[in-house]
Parts: sequence; C-alpha cells; structure tokens
Amino acid sequence: KAGVTQTPRYLIKTRGQQVTLSCSPISGHRSVSWYQQTPGQGLQFLFEYFSETQRNKGNFPGRFSGRQFSNSRSEMNVSTLELGDSALYLCASSTGQELANYGYTFGSGTRLTVV
Amino acid sequence: EDQVTQSPEALRLQEGESSSLNCSYTVSGLRGLFWYRQDPGKGPEFLFTLYSAGEEKEKERLKATLTKKESFLHITAPKPEDSATYLCAVKGAGNNRKLIWGLGTSLAVNP
Repeated sequence: KAGVTQTPRYLIKTRGQQVTLSCSPISGHRSVSWYQQTPGQGLQFLFEYFSETQRNKGNFPGRFSGRQFSNSRSEMNVSTLELGDSALYLCASSTGQELANYGYTFGSGTRLTVV
Repeated sequence: EDQVTQSPEALRLQEGESSSLNCSYTVSGLRGLFWYRQDPGKGPEFLFTLYSAGEEKEKERLKATLTKKESFLHITAPKPEDSATYLCAVKGAGNNRKLIWGLGTSLAVNP
C-alpha cells in the first residue's frame, strides 16, 4: 500500500515569507500529526488532526497552523518565517484510534531552509 | 515534566559486536514506550511498542526491554545495514496524544 506522502521534499524560503507543506496519509488513516525535527531539539510535536478537527496542539507560536481536509490530507502553514524555523517537518499518519500496536507511519519529511 | 534521555549520543561498533542503547524516561503514568529507527533523509520507522515493566519485544537482531525507569534496545551481532539513528518516545497519562521524544542514538556499524 502507498505510504505517507509529503510535498515538497525540499524548500528554501526567505525570512518573512510564508510556506505551506502538504501531507497525504495512508489510505484509511484519519489522523495526521505534524512534528518539527532539529538536531538540538529532536522531534517537537506541532499538532494533530483527526477527522478534520485539531485534536491536540504543541507549544509553538501562532505562526504555525494547520488543517485537515475531508479526504484526510493535511496541510501545515508557517507565516512570517524566521531563521529558526529551518528544520525537517515530518508528518505522521495513524488510524487515530490509539497509539498502540504499530505506532505512527511517518513520511520522509519536508526539509525547510529559511535564509 | 515528562522527559526522555537517550544514551549514548553516538555509538560505533564493528560488525558482529553486540551492544545496547539506553532510553531513560520520566513520565506520569506510562501508556507506551516506542522505539523507532531513522535513516538519513527519511522519517522515523516504527520498530516496537512496550507497555509495562518486564515486557520484551524482538525483531531480527533487535530486542527491546522495559523497566519502570528505562528501556534498552539490544543489538545482537549487528550488520552495517543496522546503521541508523534510533529514537525512543514515550506516551504518558497526560499530554493528550503527544509523544515525548529523546534525541536519539546515532549508531554506525563498520564492516
């Protein structure tokens, strides 16, 4: 079966710009979680969407937002980019029922570089 | 505050040289401990879930164990293809559905 698809794979943006990242989860999965990964902080939870509703949110500023569509595809948006936003952004797909048994399935991520 | 610490940060082994990676955690009411493997340029790949102290899971050359304060990932007779970063994460009773992640152990296995 198809895995989790994240687009684009790489992105270079200028400070102050905004960016939108996309994630298509595994077919049948209704939950999409977003993580930011940096060498110093590791994986930091951004938010989780389940059936088009934000179910949980991490400790990131309001510049970070997301949404989920009826087909479970999700987008995250970062406005007014800062240099510190440079990171690998990962999307994780799951059924949403529980974390047990198999954990998340991650996409390959979007590497965002802010210059 | 829930916290996960992994050690060592980096580990270099010769092919066939067995070793263990450590994941120490502090969490209110453990609901699950997860091990993932991450290759360069890719997202983490799920390996195991452990739920309670004393539990063990195995997959090929990997064996994960859990106590009340830490988990070990034992690698028996590793091969170069086992080279990757191994990540540990926990889910506590609080924090809703959020996982708390360690920074990982970067493993290199030399042929």
